[in-house]
Amino acid sequence: SYELTQPPSVSVSPGQTAVVTCSGDKLGNRYAYWYQQKPGQSPVVVIYHDSKRPSGIPERFSGSNSGTTATLTISGTQAVDEADYYCQAWDSRTNYVFGPGTKVTV
Amino acid sequence: EVQLVESGGGLIQPGGSLRLSCAASGFTVSNNYMSWVRQAPGKGLEWVSVIYSGGSTYYADSGKGRFSISRDNSKNTLYLQMNSLRAEDTAVYYCAKHYYGDYEYFHQWGQGTLVTVSS
Repeated sequence: SYELTQPPSVSVSPGQTAVVTCSGDKLGNRYAYWYQQKPGQSPVVVIYHDSKRPSGIPERFSGSNSGTTATLTISGTQAVDEADYYCQAWDSRTNYVFGPGTKVTV
Repeated sequence: EVQLVESGGGLIQPGGSLRLSCAASGFTVSNNYMSWVRQAPGKGLEWVSVIYSGGSTYYADSGKGRFSISRDNSKNTLYLQMNSLRAEDTAVYYCAKHYYGDYEYFHQWGQGTLVTVSS
């Protein structure tokens, strides 16, 4: 089955750049998606199709995907960005796969 | 405005059955791909099942043979029938709408309903 891996945690100072990685076999050959989940809330998609931002998502969120790694970058990180972030991909055999999640602490 | 409202969760004994509902508004369930995603307490997200607009259904291995996804077009509601429940099925269950025309990701989510399997 297809699997994604993420670092358990990332710590960043306010105003700095947070980088969250997601690794999987040939991940760059498929689309990566990123979800933000704050405590007690439902997930919200912040990046789709590797690098696109849904309407309403701040420009400080960006994404890339190449080789075996997808990356979520939060530029000028704010306290409000503190949350768990999950990457996700679709696989024809496993269907929908989530990474284990990364806790971003600001 | 798209809204997804889950219900039907609760405390159930191991081996029991439960049916979750997801009432949708602002769009037509039958025209969209719809999924159930769960999250065990303190754990990550796990996809459970999907129903495509054409009616095809798929399940994660964890629920195959025990869970059944369906929809009622007249009520614009998505369901998840869960049988032979186990302690490891304890989780918040989210209903999620896929982006229209794109089955690969979850565009909008409900608030979730908690299922607790315990004696």
